[in-house]
Amino acid sequence: SAVISQKPSRDICQRGTSLTIQCQVDSQVTMMFWYRQQPGQSLTLIATANQGSEATYESGFVIDKFPISRPNLTFSTLTVSNMSPEDSSIYLCSVETGSSYEQYFGPGTRLTVT
Amino acid sequence: AQSVAQPEDQVNVAEGNPLTVKCTYSVSGNPYLFWYVQYPNRGLQFLLKYITGDNLVKGSYGFEAEFNKSQTSFHLKKPSALVSDSALYFCAVKNRDDKIIFGKGTRLHILP
Repeated sequence: SAVISQKPSRDICQRGTSLTIQCQVDSQVTMMFWYRQQPGQSLTLIATANQGSEATYESGFVIDKFPISRPNLTFSTLTVSNMSPEDSSIYLCSVETGSSYEQYFGPGTRLTVT
Repeated sequence: AQSVAQPEDQVNVAEGNPLTVKCTYSVSGNPYLFWYVQYPNRGLQFLLKYITGDNLVKGSYGFEAEFNKSQTSFHLKKPSALVSDSALYFCAVKNRDDKIIFGKGTRLHILP
C-alpha cells in the first residue's frame, strides 16, 4: 500500500488565477495519476505522470490548462491555470504500486472557483 | 474499448441484512477488477481486487466479490450490513496494458 498526502485540502480561488496542488507519497512509485471528481460522481482521469517523462493527458485536458510536474518518484504537482467556475471540483492524486495494479488515493483537494 | 457499469445509483439495505452492489464490465483480454469505497469527504479506499485465481475474493471490512466470467460481472457482497458501510462504492476495471476505468458509483445506504 501507499500513504498519500495532498496540499491544500481545500481552497477558494478567484476566476483567472492559478492553483498548484501538491501530492506526496510515502514510498517511491513509478506511476502517478491525477483525477477530477464532482462530489458524489465518478472519477475523470486528467493525466498520467511518470517520473522522467512528460505527462500523458486524456482527451479534453491539455498541458497549458493543467501543467504537471513529476520531479522525483515520491512527488508531483498539478496546476489548474486560468481558473473558471467550471474548474470547481475535487482533484485527486493516486499511485499504482508495483505489480499489484490497485491504485491508492490521496484525500483530495476541494477547489471552489468564484 | 473497456467499460464498467454499475446499474444502481443507490442501494438501500437494512442493518444486519446481506448486501449486494452490482457491477458488470467489458474488456478485451483478461480483466483486472477492483472495488473502491469513498466515505464522505474522503479519498477512495481500495477494498478488494480480482486478478487471477479463485473467483471469490475477500477484502477489507468483511466485503467479498465474485468474479463471473460468463456473466461478465463482479458484484460486491457482504453477509451482514453495518450502518458504517454507508458510503459511495466504485467498481473499476482494466486490462494489463491499459488505464483503469471507474464506474459511475453506487451509493449504499444502510438503514438502522
